[in-house]
Amino acid sequence: GAGVSQSPSNKVTEKGKDVELRCDPISGHTALYWYRQSLGQGLEFLIYFQGNSAPDKSGLPSDRFSAERTGGSVSTLTIQRTQQEDSAVYLCASSLILRTEAFFGQGTRLTVV
Amino acid sequence: AQSVTQLDSHVSVSEGTPVLLRCNYSSSYSPSLFWYVQHPNKGLQLLLKYTSAATLVKGINGFEAEFKKSETSFHLTKPSAHMSDAAEYFCVVSAPGEYSGGGADGLTFGKGTHLIIQP
Repeated sequence: GAGVSQSPSNKVTEKGKDVELRCDPISGHTALYWYRQSLGQGLEFLIYFQGNSAPDKSGLPSDRFSAERTGGSVSTLTIQRTQQEDSAVYLCASSLILRTEAFFGQGTRLTVV
Repeated sequence: AQSVTQLDSHVSVSEGTPVLLRCNYSSSYSPSLFWYVQHPNKGLQLLLKYTSAATLVKGINGFEAEFKKSETSFHLTKPSAHMSDAAEYFCVVSAPGEYSGGGADGLTFGKGTHLIIQP
């Protein structure tokens, strides 16, 4: 596609429910990144993929968070049993290869009520 | 491990005056460095990048940055601020082969500098 696409753009969910966030990277980009941005805060790194592989999952905040990438393309970030502190904007980015400039999606604003 | 420090959380300048946003980095390897801008309620946009070519890098909207290895700095400048420059600016470092957890081999962001333009 022309850019990184994230869906949904906004998600309101009840505490305790599971949510799934989707990221469609730019076609041909091998690297994909997930970040979280809380109100007034900087970007918190969550996880990155090189192809379908995520070498380092230590950035995920808790075991309620998981992510996968299939076919070297679409990625999903899943949050189980959501908590109010999970409320944030979740940003996805992709780059042609690791360590080159990344292009960001518009983000998914998650609100847990 | 790689890290990046943005020295000012807020910078306020008058319209038409120069802008300086400071960034220092730490990396064991030759890094790639980037500046991103985020306008309110908008996504992140790449301003410019340094990838071991010319040390003075020109970006969009009149911004430029100079890579100074001896000072481990990559400060962002603009000769004359415009009201539309008001935004959050992030300095980003990326370096090969580092596994420190949380951003390793990816992009490590600074905490951001909020640029305020006074009329």
